[in-house]
Amino acid sequence: QVQLQESGPGLVKPSETLSLTCSVSGGAISSDNHYWTWIRQPAGGGLEWIGYVYKSGSTNYSPSLRGRVTISLDTSRSQFSLRLTSVTAADTAVYFCARDVGHCDSVSCSDYLDSWGQGIPVTVSS
Amino acid sequence: DIQVTQSPSSLSASVGGRITITCRASQSVNRYLNWYQQRSGRAPKLLIYAASKLHTGVPSRFSGSGSGTDFTLTISGLQPEDFATYYCQQSYSNSRSFGQGTKLEI
Repeated sequence: QVQLQESGPGLVKPSETLSLTCSVSGGAISSDNHYWTWIRQPAGGGLEWIGYVYKSGSTNYSPSLRGRVTISLDTSRSQFSLRLTSVTAADTAVYFCARDVGHCDSVSCSDYLDSWGQGIPVTVSS
Repeated sequence: DIQVTQSPSSLSASVGGRITITCRASQSVNRYLNWYQQRSGRAPKLLIYAASKLHTGVPSRFSGSGSGTDFTLTISGLQPEDFATYYCQQSYSNSRSFGQGTKLEI
């Protein structure tokens, strides 16, 4: 049973860079068809998909955050990380890391988020 | 980008009742549509993937249907622990997206 755990500072100043790490245990971070994903949720709001990184290092990001976001993988530490630059109060949220699994059976293929970290609250404030 | 619209944003129901939540994608996502449940203060949990496949351990009172752009999540025989917020998510595009969520209240 894979487990994910977010870590990082809970307070970031405006215009600075938010950096979070997700530690993965109980499963190989370099497995095929696993996309290591960040999602965020402002207080009282909905889920916002941020992006993912694949074992090859290839990434995909939300168009609304592209240009400010970088997701990277450290297979030796079984961790992946999120960097979000030039933060503002609008980036205040609970940040979740999750595993996106690509799965095919005899009939069809699918992709879904099957494992999540507990989430880490981050506040952007001076 | 593929936009995903959920309705209603909230609804009230009773224990033992049945509810349906709708999710509409701005373009076809085939059957790449998933449903998640989020209880207050917790991380979301996968309920249904590929539009209609029940994730391991999810009770059979949950069901999903649809393909293309229109999807539904149905919960029959509501239990107290089902009162939570539900999200749909499309995974057809490399840039994933969630619906706005539906809060299910007693």
